[in-house]
Amino acid sequence: KAGVTQTPRYLIKTRGQQVTLSCSPISGHRSVSWYQQTPGQGLQFLFEYFSETQRNKGNFPGRFSGRQFSNSRSEMNVSTLELGDSALYLCASRSGVAEETQYFGPGTRLLVL
Amino acid sequence: GEDVEQSLFLSVREGDSSVINCTYTDSSSTYLYWYKQEPGAGLQLLTYIFSNMDMKQDQRLTVLLNKKDKHLSLRIADTQTGDSAIYFCAETISWNSGYALNFGKGTSLLVTP
Repeated sequence: KAGVTQTPRYLIKTRGQQVTLSCSPISGHRSVSWYQQTPGQGLQFLFEYFSETQRNKGNFPGRFSGRQFSNSRSEMNVSTLELGDSALYLCASRSGVAEETQYFGPGTRLLVL
Repeated sequence: GEDVEQSLFLSVREGDSSVINCTYTDSSSTYLYWYKQEPGAGLQLLTYIFSNMDMKQDQRLTVLLNKKDKHLSLRIADTQTGDSAIYFCAETISWNSGYALNFGKGTSLLVTP
């Protein structure tokens, strides 16, 4: 099976812009989670989607949003970008039926100037 | 959430064993994980242990779990230079029918020839 794929891999934006990141989970997986990784805060949970519904959300402002499509692909959007949004954004997928292993994609590295 | 604690750095000589320690917070975590991250890459699942187990061995990797003390360790036997990376332990937090991983800050392992 192909692994989790994320596009784009690298992105440069300026403050105030918005950005959309995409994640395709492992075939058959219905749950997609997003994490932000920064040197200061480490890995932090953003949100989880399952069958097109957001199950839960981490402690992030409303500028961070996401959605999931019927084919389980997910997008996350960050509006009004701030310098502090520069990070590696990681997507993880699992089957979603029960608590089980999450497999991560290579990430999208976002730089906000 | 509360912090999962890991030591930040570990340096070992090639061929020696490495032991990375972790203290987690949620006693109800069903699975506990070890992920590896190489420079510029995403998270690679190394191994995991189910909470009703004390030990799990997987080739050069041995995971020990002490539920009473909420202590998890990863032992890498015959450490190689290719094992140099950052190692993250993670516990599972469940709520709203979903799950999120709560990560430690990571242990940077340096293997010297």
